[in-house]
This record gives sequence, C-alpha cells and structure tokens, in this order.
Amino acid sequence: DGGITQSPKYLFRKEGQNVTLSCEQNLNHDAMYWYRQDPGQGLRLIYYSQIVNDFQKGDIAEGYSVSREKKESFPLTVTSAQKNPTAFYLCASRWGRNYGYTFGSGTRLTVV
Amino acid sequence: EDKVVQSPLSLVVHEGDTVTLNCSYEVTNFRSLLWYKQEKKAPTFLFMLTSSGIEKKSGRLSSILDKKELSSILNITATQTGDSAIYLCAGSPNRDDKIIFGKGTRLHILP
Repeated sequence: DGGITQSPKYLFRKEGQNVTLSCEQNLNHDAMYWYRQDPGQGLRLIYYSQIVNDFQKGDIAEGYSVSREKKESFPLTVTSAQKNPTAFYLCASRWGRNYGYTFGSGTRLTVV
Repeated sequence: EDKVVQSPLSLVVHEGDTVTLNCSYEVTNFRSLLWYKQEKKAPTFLFMLTSSGIEKKSGRLSSILDKKELSSILNITATQTGDSAIYLCAGSPNRDDKIIFGKGTRLHILP
C-alpha cells in the first residue's frame, strides 16, 4: 500500500544532541513537508521541498535542517540550536496543488 | 501575512447533536480550502473546496465555502463518539505548494 512512513514513533533527546526524524513516501509525490504540532498551536511549517535537491524554509525553520537527496525521502534533523524541540512532528506529501496532503503518523519528540 | 482562523477552539456536545465548525481565511491568491480530521496521530483528509456555494458531503459530514465572506463551515449531524477529534482547516494558495493551517477545533462528543 502507498503511504508515508515516519520513524521512530517516539524519540527522546538529551540536551545538546542532534536527532534525525525519518520520513519516507512511496506515493511518487514531488512535494514533501515537515510540520510541528504543539497543543493549541495547530500545525506550523518547518521546511518543505517541491523537488529533489531543493527545499525552502517554512515559518519556524530555526534550529532545524533537512535534505532531499531522493524523491522518496525527506529527513528532518533537530539540532541543538532548537531550544524547545519537544513536540509532535508530522511529515506530509502532496501530488500537486489540486490535491491535499497525505500525512505520516508522526514522531513525538521529547527532550529529557 | 496569510492566516487561517478556526472557531471555536474547543467544543463539547452530546451524542446526537449537530455541530458547526467555522473557518475564516486570509490567503493571498487563494486556491482551495481543506478540512482534515485528526484523531490520534495522522490527520486524515475530509474535503477540498474550491468553488463558492457548492456543498460537499460525506455521510454525516458536509462543508461549504463562501468566497465572498472568506469562510467555510464544516457541519456534522447526528454526532457520534467516534467524531471526537481535532478538526483542522487549511488554506492553499496558488503561488506555491504551502498550505496554511488553522489551530484546529477540538471536538469532544459525550455519550
């Protein structure tokens, strides 16, 4: 079945560590996105990529980095520069502007 | 700055009630409005609205877009406990592939 797979489902980070969240899709979608969800905040865009080897900052990109070396993969690294990384992270992809997003199941990141 | 505002932010009703969730948008070069349901983890797609005044229906759920008022409503009739979720509204502009989400309405259905 086609879809988006995020891993891990739960992740614990120590202070000062970088961690990488995985997002893989087999939908053949060109565009991929990373959102952060905090209680009462809705979804806020971190980074997005419309094509391989290209990506743009979203509204809250500081402290995060991404890469898009393959169409299927769009990993997100939460760096030590992100001061408040505890949140639920959602990856999504989209076929085109006439379609909505397909979301992964999310990764819950907690700083310990 | 583009934005999407949802109201109410939280709603508690009894099973069998009808609810109306509101969404207003300010999206430059607006293309479409989307509704999603988020129960536990991944939001699932409900509706995409592009034309004003045309109702879309799926079972007990329906939605309509008003481009003049820059708003949309999502109606749920004969609510069930399984309708308890966060309902997200989002606006999609023409100029790029970003979608702007509202903060969501948290709906809780009491048995």
